[in-house]
Amino acid sequence: GAVVSQHPSRVICKSGTSVKIECRSLDFQATTMFWYRQFPKKSLMLMATSNEGSKATYEQGVEKDKFLINHASLTLSTLTVTSAHPEDSSFYICSAAGVRGINEQYFGPGTRLTVT
Amino acid sequence: TQLLEQSPQFLSIQEGENLTVYCNSSSVFSSLQWYRQEPGEGPVLLVTVVTGGEVKKLKRLTFQFGDARKDSSLHITAAQPGDTGLYLCAGDTNAGKSTFGDGTTLTVKP
Repeated sequence: GAVVSQHPSRVICKSGTSVKIECRSLDFQATTMFWYRQFPKKSLMLMATSNEGSKATYEQGVEKDKFLINHASLTLSTLTVTSAHPEDSSFYICSAAGVRGINEQYFGPGTRLTVT
Repeated sequence: TQLLEQSPQFLSIQEGENLTVYCNSSSVFSSLQWYRQEPGEGPVLLVTVVTGGEVKKLKRLTFQFGDARKDSSLHITAAQPGDTGLYLCAGDTNAGKSTFGDGTTLTVKP
């Protein structure tokens, strides 16, 4: 149980274009979803917290107009990287909470974004 | 800001050895999670500890939550190559999100 999927797993896009990443909780309703960015051999950097039906809460230093988050339902959240640049290349991971409370997060497999 | 410090940052051992990874903070957490992450994949939840002094076992892995709920340890007995990965601890901030440690990269050589 508590399976979270992400799509796509890998994406290569050209500089200036936008990319949408989907995060789905497959077998439970996620009251909260989190979006993280991870650099090689580093820990997770929280970008934003999203609750279904409300605006996402962004961490300090994360541009909300560049990283658009939509949490349309209890099983789906999307992250759109707008006007992507090479420095946006990274491993993006989502997680969902709500199975046994907000403390436990179930992570998606991640999306490797490469901006050329 | 509630910070979690993990040590050691990197650990390379031979198969069969024992090891302990530490997660320390000056803050009190209502709960703490341990995750393992393999390259190119998302972290996988291993355990949640809630009560001060709590000890949980998962096969060869033993997790302990400090009495004051400020620190935790993960002990692996007879490590195997399959234990290789990035181990992350995360504390519940009561602000609706978790604080993650910097991680311990474990390599177990056959």
